[in-house]
Amino acid sequence: GAVVSQHPSRVICKSGTSVKIECRSLDFQATTMFWYRQFPKQSLMLMATSNEGSKATYEQGVEKDKFLINHASLTLSTLTVTSAHPEDSSFYICSARLREQTQYFGPGTRLLVL
Amino acid sequence: AQSVTQLGSHVSVSEGALVLLRCNYSSSVPPYLFWYVQYPNQGLQLLLKYTSAATLVKGINGFEAEFKKSETSFHLTKPSAHMSDAAEYFCAVSPSGGYQKVTFGIGTKLQVIP
Repeated sequence: GAVVSQHPSRVICKSGTSVKIECRSLDFQATTMFWYRQFPKQSLMLMATSNEGSKATYEQGVEKDKFLINHASLTLSTLTVTSAHPEDSSFYICSARLREQTQYFGPGTRLLVL
Repeated sequence: AQSVTQLGSHVSVSEGALVLLRCNYSSSVPPYLFWYVQYPNQGLQLLLKYTSAATLVKGINGFEAEFKKSETSFHLTKPSAHMSDAAEYFCAVSPSGGYQKVTFGIGTKLQVIP
């Protein structure tokens, strides 16, 4: 139980294009999902908290117009990196909150912007 | 405010030896504490969590951790290391009660030597 999937697992795109990453909770409903970014050999940096049916809450320093988050249903949240640039290349991980403070993580999406 | 300090970014142990990964936390309120494991190019998997019940918490894959309030520690241990334990381990903390942001440590890379 408590499985979270992400799609795609890897994506390569040209600079200036937009990329959408999906995060799905497969066997539970999640009113809250989280988006993290992980740089090589570093910890996870919380980008935003995605709440079903409402606007996402972004962490300080994260551009909300660049990283668009939509949480349209209790099992799906999407992160769109708009006008991607090479510095946006990173490992993006989502998680979904099931109970208390426990988060279940997706397998991550490796984004490479050329 | 809350924070996590993981002592030792790299730990090497021989196969069959004791695994000890250190985590100290700082929290202004009673905390919830977590250990996650990350294999290369994958998301995080929950190993175990402390949520104010028993101070000795047993998790998956033979790992356990003990919450010591007096030492503000939550060290992760395993009596006998397996080659499959080689991975990155993250300690995390959040305030107890309701939804609160989870803060991750920088991670400890565990190497298991045959």
